[in-house]
Amino acid sequence: KQEVTQIPAALSVPEGENLVLNCSFTDSAIYNLQWFRQDPGKGLTSLLLIQSSQREQTSGRLNASLDKSSGRSTLYIAASQPGDSATYLCAVRSGGSNYKLTFGKGTLLTVNP
Amino acid sequence: IAGITQAPTSQILAAGRRMTLRCTQDMRHNAMYWYRQDLGLGLRLIHYSNTAGTTGKGEVPDGYSVSRANTDDFPLTLASAVPSQTSVYFCASSERRQTGELFFGEGSRLTVL
Repeated sequence: KQEVTQIPAALSVPEGENLVLNCSFTDSAIYNLQWFRQDPGKGLTSLLLIQSSQREQTSGRLNASLDKSSGRSTLYIAASQPGDSATYLCAVRSGGSNYKLTFGKGTLLTVNP
Repeated sequence: IAGITQAPTSQILAAGRRMTLRCTQDMRHNAMYWYRQDLGLGLRLIHYSNTAGTTGKGEVPDGYSVSRANTDDFPLTLASAVPSQTSVYFCASSERRQTGELFFGEGSRLTVL
């Protein structure tokens, strides 16, 4: 059974700092991994999708990496801004007959002005 | 703007009543999903549909039913609501279930009294 863990559960940083969010998974037989952000009371917004054959994806100030062999992904946010404050979730799509998507519980990020 | 539309955004319902949450997408995605999000439990899959005319059970299907008569619509029905179904419900879609990027609606907050 795939398990996805995000540590830390909460993170507070000053504006302008570069930061890394972590996502670990127990079964390396995955199809892809997706990072989302969720603002309070809102739906999940897709940030980056990394296919199993890829090592990283970049979008603006965001860079996500994937290391299947070690069961880890990181989301790097450069020059953080108060508008980056949100909960960040990772989700891993596993192989098998039903292509199950397993979500982590998320990291609550607060960027202080 | 292309995306997923959910209705209602919020609803208070008496226990025992029937309720249908509506979901419409205009991205022509094949796969659609219903999740519930609860504090401490994260996101859990209720039902999914790989393509129009087919549906499948997720992790927590009891008390819920879905239909997929066409590509765009994927309603979720609670036949007889119970208080434990108080939650935030998210509809999502992806081009393909196996490897597609997942997109979410804004959610429907349901309270069952």
